[in-house]
Amino acid sequence: GDSVTQMEGPVTLSEEAFLTINCTYTATGYPSLFWYVQYPGEGLQLLLKATKADDKGSNKGFEATYRKETTSFHLEKGSVQVSDSAVYFCALSDRDNAGNMLTFGGGTRLMVKP
Amino acid sequence: DGGITQSPKYLFRKEGQNVTLSCEQNLNHDAMYWYRQDPGQGLRLIYYSQIVNDFQKGDIAEGYSVSREKKESFPLTVTSAQKNPTAFYLCASSPPLTDSAQHFGDGTRLSIL
Repeated sequence: GDSVTQMEGPVTLSEEAFLTINCTYTATGYPSLFWYVQYPGEGLQLLLKATKADDKGSNKGFEATYRKETTSFHLEKGSVQVSDSAVYFCALSDRDNAGNMLTFGGGTRLMVKP
Repeated sequence: DGGITQSPKYLFRKEGQNVTLSCEQNLNHDAMYWYRQDPGQGLRLIYYSQIVNDFQKGDIAEGYSVSREKKESFPLTVTSAQKNPTAFYLCASSPPLTDSAQHFGDGTRLSIL
């Protein structure tokens, strides 16, 4: 079955540091890939997505590139802020499955210190 | 603004009691979903519905029930059969396009008295 593996957290960085959160996936079909962000006590918000190989999703300074050859979708940001502290979830939606069912990774907590 | 509304934000359940969590969306989405999130954990799918009057079990449906009588509404009942109901519950919806993202509500935190 489909699966998503994320690096375990917490990831602790100083403000303005470079961020990478690794995400790799296994899928039987040809999935779409997503990054969601969850702030404390809130639901998930879509951060960015990519629907085909070599697509780059970007939003709010975050980027991730769909790498089919390495089955990866790593999240990056060049300079993190304290306000980026949150939990980040990588997810996939496999077109071979019915509807928009999502398979989530376990989440990675990011803590940014001033 | 369109969105998903979950209520209440906090809910307490007594032993042996059923409780119902509300989820309403005005995004005109066909599909709706319920997830459970435990502290420090990812999301696990409880139930989903791709069309009115139809729903399917997810990975952890035991002890839960749902209904989908209206497109806008997908309530989740946590029954007394769910022995460990304390968790954060998230509702989501999505349009039928396969590349579309799911949209989430702000969640309901359920605790046992």
